Amino acid sequence: GAGVSQTPSNKVTEKGKYVELRCDPISGHTALYWYRQSLGQGPEFLIYFQGTGAADDSGLPNDRFFAVRPEGSVSTLKIQRTERGDSAVYLCASSSQGGHTEAFFGQGTRLTVV
Amino acid sequence: SQKIEQNSEALNIQEGKTATLTCNYTNYSPAYLQWYRQDPGRGPVFLLLIRENEKEKRKERLKVTFDTTLKQSLFHITASQPADSATYLCALPSGGATNKLIFGTGTLLAVQP
Repeated sequence: GAGVSQTPSNKVTEKGKYVELRCDPISGHTALYWYRQSLGQGPEFLIYFQGTGAADDSGLPNDRFFAVRPEGSVSTLKIQRTERGDSAVYLCASSSQGGHTEAFFGQGTRLTVV
Repeated sequence: SQKIEQNSEALNIQEGKTATLTCNYTNYSPAYLQWYRQDPGRGPVFLLLIRENEKEKRKERLKVTFDTTLKQSLFHITASQPADSATYLCALPSGGATNKLIFGTGTLLAVQP
């Protein structure tokens, strides 16, 4: 595609439910990142994939959060037992390689846990 | 720990003037620094990357400076337009070969016609 695509754009879920957020990176981009952005804050790093493997998952807040990228393109961020504090905009970004290059961001998924 | 500071207060300027935004960082020696623009409800959009051995970089009406001694970057928009109104984010790599970025909180710029 022309840019990074994230679905859904908005997701409202009940506390305790499981959610999946999808990211379609730019074709050919090997590096993929997930960030989380709360109101009035900058994006906060969650996890980085180089190809299919998670090269850095140090930003995942706890074990309720998990992400996969099984074929090295599309990635899914999974959140179990959602809590109200998980409410935020989840941003996905891709780049042609890791390091020293610009990151292309999707429009984000706004997650609201009620 | 690494820390990035941007003016949290909104910057209001008149159309045609030069907007100057500041990014300060501590506990850090980044190899480069990036600036992004973010509009409401959208993801950040890359604007400029400046490396540690570059003092200044320009792109059209944009200019970025990088002072590794002061640990500061300045972002200038000359001949500002209402369409430049947005939040501008400063971002630095956390280190290593990845593009894992640490972002500032951003500064909201409002250009009045």
